[in-house]
Amino acid sequence: DAGVIQSPRHEVTEMGQEVTLRCKPISGHNSLFWYRQTMMRGLELLIYFNNNVPIDDSGMPEDRFSAKMPNASFSTLKIQPSEPRDSAVYFCASSLRGQGAYEQYFGPGTRLTVT
Amino acid sequence: AQTVTQSQPEMSVQEAETVTLSCTYDTSESDYYLFWYKQPPSRQMILVIRQEAYKQQNATENRFSVNFQKAAKSFSLKISDSQLGDAAMYFCAYRSAMETSGSRLTFGEGTQLTVNP
Repeated sequence: DAGVIQSPRHEVTEMGQEVTLRCKPISGHNSLFWYRQTMMRGLELLIYFNNNVPIDDSGMPEDRFSAKMPNASFSTLKIQPSEPRDSAVYFCASSLRGQGAYEQYFGPGTRLTVT
Repeated sequence: AQTVTQSQPEMSVQEAETVTLSCTYDTSESDYYLFWYKQPPSRQMILVIRQEAYKQQNATENRFSVNFQKAAKSFSLKISDSQLGDAAMYFCAYRSAMETSGSRLTFGEGTQLTVNP
C-alpha cells in the first residue's frame, strides 16, 4: 500500500504569495492531521479531521492559514498571504480511528521557504 | 495539558553497542499511548514503537524496546546492536486515550542520535 503522499516536496515562494500544500492519506484511514516542524517550536499540530470534518483547528496560527478536506482521499493546507515566518516543514499524517492506538503515519513532508 | 520532555538533545553510540534514549511526560490521565518516532535526514517521520499505558509489559520491536515506568512517567527507548542506519532524530510522543481530548500527538523536543562506525 502507498503511504501518505504529499505534494510538492519543496516549495519556494515570495512573501505575499498564496501557497497550497496537498495531501493524500492512506486509503481507508479516517483521520488526517497537519503538523508543522520548525527549529524554534518543534513539531506542532495545526489541525486535524475525522471523517473529513475538522475537529480541532486550535493550532492554526492565524487566519492566513486554512485547511480543507473535500473527500476522504484529499486535503489541502493553504497559506494566503505567505510570510517568511511560515517557512517550515509541513507534515500530513493519517490514522485509522477506531482501532487501538490509532498510530499516525506521516507523509514525507513539504519544505516551504518563503523569501 | 500534557507535556513531553526529552532531556538529551544529542546522544552517540558505537556501532553494535546499545544506547538508551530518555523521555518523561506529564499527564493527569490514566489511559494514554506513547510512541517513539524516528526522523532520519530524509525527514520522513517513521513510527518505531508504541506502548499502551494499560499494558504492564514493555513493548519490543526487533532491536528496539522500551522501558515504560508509569508511576515515574518515564518512557525510554533502548536500541540494541546499533546500526549506522539508526542515526536519526528520535521523538517521543504522547496521545491521550480520551475521546474528548482528541487525537493530537504531543511531541518531545527530540534527541539526535549519532552512530559511530
